[in-house]
Amino acid sequence: NAGVTQTPKFQVLKTGQSMTLQCAQDMNHNSMYWYRQDPGMGLRLIYYSASEGTTDKGEVPNGYNVSRLNKREFSLRLESAAPSQTSVYFCATPPTRRQISSYNEQFFGPGTRLTVL
Amino acid sequence: QQPVQSPQAVILREGEDAVINCSSSKALYSVHWYRQKHGEAPVFLMILLKGGEQKGHEKISASFNEKKQQSSLYLTASQLSYSGTYFCGTEKGNDYKLSFGAGTTVTVRA
Repeated sequence: NAGVTQTPKFQVLKTGQSMTLQCAQDMNHNSMYWYRQDPGMGLRLIYYSASEGTTDKGEVPNGYNVSRLNKREFSLRLESAAPSQTSVYFCATPPTRRQISSYNEQFFGPGTRLTVL
Repeated sequence: QQPVQSPQAVILREGEDAVINCSSSKALYSVHWYRQKHGEAPVFLMILLKGGEQKGHEKISASFNEKKQQSSLYLTASQLSYSGTYFCGTEKGNDYKLSFGAGTTVTVRA
């Protein structure tokens, strides 16, 4: 089934630990995005990749790094986790331009709920 | 720069209509609309492209005023299933940077 997968779904870290959030899509989309969502807040863009081989900063990139491994995969790394990074992280591959092929596709992953103690 | 949404929240009774607005200070290439229910991922509703093209899959309509850099989402004859938080996302130019607004919480009551 076409869609976006994220791993892990839940994670608890201690301050200073590192981890990588994985994201993969099988929609053959060029662009991929990482957002964070804090309770009661909107979606804030961390990093995005317009195409394989390119990455750009969003609104809140500090404390994060990304890798666009290939067209399917886009990972987000926290090098030294801080309590302020406690959030829900969503990977997305929205339909941009004329990429919509099916109206039943889910363009956002299920999210990773991260708690930093 | 993130778009600005209004209102922040709206309460409706089934069958009532509502309009959610999204505005940007810069020229837009496209506007995206998503709905999110509590504890779930956002779900795609519609994309409006510069030039007037619209693509969506639900019985919810929207408009895109390129000159004013504004978009409006129209919830007509609301149903209980319309409850959730609606987000607009905007792309400027060709940079593919998709930024979302703070959201509008819609509550539909029987």
